[in-house]
Amino acid sequence: SAVISQKPSRDICQRGTSLTIQCQVDSQVTMMFWYRQQPGQSLTLIATANQGSEATYESGFVIDKFPISRPNLTFSTLTVSNMSPEDSSIYLCSVTTGESFFGPGTRLTVL
Amino acid sequence: TQLLEQSPQFLSIQEGENLTVYCNSSSVFSSLQWYRQEPGEGPVLLVTVVTGGEVKKLKRLTFQFGDARKDSSLHITAAQPGDTGLYLCAGEMDSSYKLIFGSGTRLLVRP
Repeated sequence: SAVISQKPSRDICQRGTSLTIQCQVDSQVTMMFWYRQQPGQSLTLIATANQGSEATYESGFVIDKFPISRPNLTFSTLTVSNMSPEDSSIYLCSVTTGESFFGPGTRLTVL
Repeated sequence: TQLLEQSPQFLSIQEGENLTVYCNSSSVFSSLQWYRQEPGEGPVLLVTVVTGGEVKKLKRLTFQFGDARKDSSLHITAAQPGDTGLYLCAGEMDSSYKLIFGSGTRLLVRP
């Protein structure tokens, strides 16, 4: 199993600003992902965070809006840039070690 | 277009009743996972099914993977208030570890 922590757990931000979310895992993992869960909705994959190379984004998500860093096998960040109210969601970090584990999420509200 | 259709979306039942949640797709998945998510937390893995026709039991929960690996069901026997939560199915395509989530089923078990 893997224990995942995320910071911050929640934040309220003004439109036009950016927020960086951190994800820390208690063990080295190869596969790390970022998901978004809009209010009352299910989860949608944003991107795969690749260690040592650029993240791989899913359709509808771009690097300029959601830049991702993955400096090592235990840590990743997701930035939500130039935020608008439509970005209000829960952002979740996930790792896969055969099975998938999720962090507690970061609840973002954009005013 | 939702790749994984989950039904019902909402379910409110009395303690002791049985229920079944369905997850259907036109796509074939290399594996299918069921999660339960409570407010303020990330999804927690309940089970992974891999083989077509596979049935797995977890106490009062029975999971089945369709023969063609396109659909799955979750059956709960004698539901308890502690079963209340959001149930999510998620399919893995092409052994990529990336998950496509169903729309979710919100279950409320009334005492």
